[in-house]
Amino acid sequence: GAVVSQHPSRVICKSGTSVKIECRSLDFQATTMFWYRQFPKQSLMLMATSNEGSKATYEQGVEKDKFLINHASLTLSTLTVTSAHPEDSSFYICSAYTGGESPLHFGNGTRLTVT
Amino acid sequence: GDSVTQMEGPVTLSEEAFLTINCTYTATGYPSLFWYVQYPGEGLQLLLKATKADDKGSNKGFEATYRKETTSFHLEKGSVQVSDSAVYFCALREGGATNKLIFGTGTLLAVQP
Repeated sequence: GAVVSQHPSRVICKSGTSVKIECRSLDFQATTMFWYRQFPKQSLMLMATSNEGSKATYEQGVEKDKFLINHASLTLSTLTVTSAHPEDSSFYICSAYTGGESPLHFGNGTRLTVT
Repeated sequence: GDSVTQMEGPVTLSEEAFLTINCTYTATGYPSLFWYVQYPGEGLQLLLKATKADDKGSNKGFEATYRKETTSFHLEKGSVQVSDSAVYFCALREGGATNKLIFGTGTLLAVQP
């Protein structure tokens, strides 16, 4: 089946630094990738939608200058949390999709802790 | 905008008990509906889906029926196992160009032996 690899699975960084999270579709080409943030009571919030070769579309309330998304190829999207602060600590999940009625495939998530 | 509401957890059941997790939705169009499951420490996996009214999705003993008249997609299983312990998410996918998935808050299911 379709596999989405997300890396790293855990990262701890200091306040003010930047962190990059990678999301790769290993055996299929993903025209669209979605980035979610999962809050402590398990709700998932869609942060942005990224299409290969174009700028990401951010949801209302998500700072695009803070959460930089790049989707340079059909198999790779990256989320960079810039100048991270403790309130950015969360679980970030990506998903990839080939279009139409195909299902979304999710990565295993990245636990970010900002100290 | 579109939204999904599902029952709060945690839901604690004994093995072989009947499970229902309620899910209702609000949508302007005709969305597809999904249940995803997240096992501890893992990402989300698609459990089942339904793409139109009256469709029934089923997988691994779980079932859910797309009820347009009540805007619901309740998840059921006749006899749960300890291995079913996980967080269950109801979701809808908007139609049209966006194809975004909108999730409910998730329901933690804990099955005790």
